[in-house]
Order: sequence, then structure tokens, then C-alpha cells
Amino acid sequence: DSGVTQTPKHLITATGQRVTLRCSPRSGDLSVYWYQQSLDQGLQFLIQYYNGEERAKGNILERFSAQQFPDLHSELNLSSLELGDSALYFCASSAGLAGDNEQFFGPGTRLTVL
Amino acid sequence: QQQVKQSPQSLIVQKGGISIINCAYENTAFDYFPWYQQFPGKGPALLIAIRPDVSEKKEGRFTISFNKSAKQFSLHIMDSQPGDSATYFCAASLHPNFGNEKLTFGTGTRLTIIP
Repeated sequence: DSGVTQTPKHLITATGQRVTLRCSPRSGDLSVYWYQQSLDQGLQFLIQYYNGEERAKGNILERFSAQQFPDLHSELNLSSLELGDSALYFCASSAGLAGDNEQFFGPGTRLTVL
Repeated sequence: QQQVKQSPQSLIVQKGGISIINCAYENTAFDYFPWYQQFPGKGPALLIAIRPDVSEKKEGRFTISFNKSAKQFSLHIMDSQPGDSATYFCAASLHPNFGNEKLTFGTGTRLTIIP
């Protein structure tokens, strides 16, 4: 158990809908990362937050947004969902901005868009 | 330049043998190189990691070899066991001075250990 929790575990929804994925980092970790894992694209970085502020953006679509709250949990919002958004979404956390940057991954949310 | 190339895509090794997975990178600004192990339905789990100032790091049966001049690094699993059957990902990240600590992942290697 990495100490990172994600809810829900599974999500099935229809095209055009909006969903929210939730992540709680390990106790004391200030950085939260979101990654998408799909069969054709592998593990892709979406976005990073550090202590409530957006720190880095990757291949995140404009239909997607995220935030990190004062208690350090994070939410990833996916809207106007398309079939191609079906994937595993992982949250990871790390202690801060240290050079070793050990990132610990949650169990993921499997999103299925029908 | 941000890519990390991983090979092979799949690997079958006999129990007790040595499993070797290779990765290559282009960006010399990468500063941290972890390996992750992922079982079906689970999130990636950090296995072992190395910094470029070290050529080798060993933790139990797992060893990372790092060749800075060739921009390559590899994972060796000694005495491979059926429980090691999983997908392995290499990754790399920049120093925090570059403004982000995202992991750039290789494409993964599906390792199967046969009795």
C-alpha cells in the first residue's frame, strides 16, 4: 500500500458527461501528479500541483482540469467526455521538490466512457 | 528529446534466470531514473531508482546499471521468480530547477517468469 488513495475505483459514464476523480496524497506529501494510462499512449503525465499551486502541465486536454485543495487532496475533472478518454487515471504524490523525487502511485481510477 | 525508449516489449525468462530490461534517453538534463513495477489492476510501485552520479545501484535481487555517456540504463533482476511476473516501466525526470518533476515513462516491458 503506497499510502495514496483514489476514488472511485471504477467509473462508467456516457459520452458528453463530466466526472470528478479524487486523490488523497500520502501524509505529509505536498506534490500531487496526475497520469493517464492507456493501451496506445502508455503512462502520460497530465498535471502537477505543489502545495495548492499548479506547477507543471503536460498533455492535458482543455476539457480536463484539476485543483489541489488546502488539505492537499486533489481532484481531476474531466468534461465533455469522449470514447478516447477511457483509460486508467493515476494520482501520485511526492514529498516536495527534492531531487530524488520519489513518486508514489495510488491504485488508480478506471474510467470507461460508453 | 523528452522520450525514454524501453526494450524489449515483452520478455520470458526461466525461474532462477536473470531478467534484463533496457532503456535509453536523449535529454541529458534528466537527473533521476526510477524503475516501476506494475501488476494488473494496480498502480505502478517504485522498485529502485538511481541518480546519474552513480553507475550502479543494487537492492536485493534488483540492480540498476547506468551508463551516462551512452545515455542508457538497465534493470537486472537476479534469480527471477514467478512473483516477479509484471510489467516494468523505466522513467526519468528533470532536476527540480527545471520547474517540474514529472516522470517521463518508457513504454513498458511485460515480464513473464516460467517455472
